[in-house]
Amino acid sequence: DTAVSQTPKYLVTQMGNDKSIKCEQNLGHDTMYWYKQDSKKFLKIMFSYNNKELIINETVPNRFSPKSPDKAHLNLHINSLELGDSAVYFCASSQVTEVVGDGYTFGSGTRLTVV
Amino acid sequence: AQTVTQSQPEMSVQEAETVTLSCTYDTSESDYYLFWYKQPPSRQMILVIRQEAYKQQNATENRFSVNFQKAAKSFSLKISDSQLGDAAMYFCACLQGAQKLVFGQGTRLTINP
Repeated sequence: DTAVSQTPKYLVTQMGNDKSIKCEQNLGHDTMYWYKQDSKKFLKIMFSYNNKELIINETVPNRFSPKSPDKAHLNLHINSLELGDSAVYFCASSQVTEVVGDGYTFGSGTRLTVV
Repeated sequence: AQTVTQSQPEMSVQEAETVTLSCTYDTSESDYYLFWYKQPPSRQMILVIRQEAYKQQNATENRFSVNFQKAAKSFSLKISDSQLGDAAMYFCACLQGAQKLVFGQGTRLTINP
């Protein structure tokens, strides 16, 4: 069973479109995250949710809107896509209230290409 | 602010040899955790090894070990008996408290047969 699953794995779309990436975790973790990995492989956090509550919101354009319907799901919706949004987006989860030192479990990533 | 620096963009090693990847970090907290993640071409992020800052003993996982120098804020990864499957991007990361996991820039490791 996949612990953190993201869909789709690949997404090619035109500038100006709106798209969503879905993430689900079956680990029972209380916190989920979105990271962006740019073309130079640098990983930077975008958002985190703890039990459906937004706790980290980095400097991200407001075209990006995360939504967490329950603690097992964290979706990322992107409006008016731009060329610079092309990247790999990773979802991750962790159990913050217990063993923080276990680190994060990552999904396999979604490669978004905006043309 | 929490920062993690990997000064080696690329490293290469002969198969069966040993290689060490460098990492330095900066944090204002006394309690934190350090990690090395591996990202092969499949792009999956795989946890390699973790270290609790309050533990002086260096963590070891099979062929992977760390050299944790808390005063110097250094956390290097040693890979012994390198194998072709070790070829990947390696990321050092720091987690303090319940805050965000901050990554270094990554080191691309090539294994030469």
